[in-house]
Amino acid sequence: GAGVSQSPSNKVTEKGKDVELRCDPISGHTALYWYRQSLGQGLEFLIYFQGNSAPDKSGLPSDRFSAERTGGSVSTLTIQRTQQEDSAVYLCASSLVTSGPSYNEQFFGPGTRLTVL
Amino acid sequence: AQRVTQPEKLLSVFKGAPVELKCNYSYSGSPELFWYVQYSRQRLQLLLRHISRESIKGFTADLNKGETSFHLKKPFAQEEDSAMYYCALLQGAQKLVFGQGTRLTINP
Repeated sequence: GAGVSQSPSNKVTEKGKDVELRCDPISGHTALYWYRQSLGQGLEFLIYFQGNSAPDKSGLPSDRFSAERTGGSVSTLTIQRTQQEDSAVYLCASSLVTSGPSYNEQFFGPGTRLTVL
Repeated sequence: AQRVTQPEKLLSVFKGAPVELKCNYSYSGSPELFWYVQYSRQRLQLLLRHISRESIKGFTADLNKGETSFHLKKPFAQEEDSAMYYCALLQGAQKLVFGQGTRLTINP
């Protein structure tokens, strides 16, 4: 029914703390993506899931960042020992992935605004 | 490396004037390009993709392989076009590489 949802919508944390961001994709969408939207950097790809596996983690900026997806549905992006430069809007998207090479439109969530003090 | 460049961070035009948002890319192969738009307090959404050759909300974009460009154009801007626009390149089957975005403001 509803589109991609993300929680929390806003998160303020202190430097050094860990945070977890959640994404609920559109029901039936097998692919899930995390992006980061920050001033001056535009939209950066972080990680892509197909089902529960992550064939492309190339965008994760450091080993403080990790993500998992369980049951082929909900995903959690975890940032450990947050730094001020982690402040950004974290966007999640999902898409159907059919067999073959053709692109399937990604539908975006509203994002989580993370502020690290 | 595959890259998308949007040279203008900000673009301001008057209502009724033509608008062109620039996008250049670097890609070895046959590129697949998109424009995404984010209106104020709304989600990022697909505006158009070059292979469909559609006109959405009066916007068009033509892929120019010689100039490696995919500029977004509209002949007569409307106030509701004010938004953040991102050009994106498909890398592989699913990964999108985005430009830095252009904030378009249409003045009344």
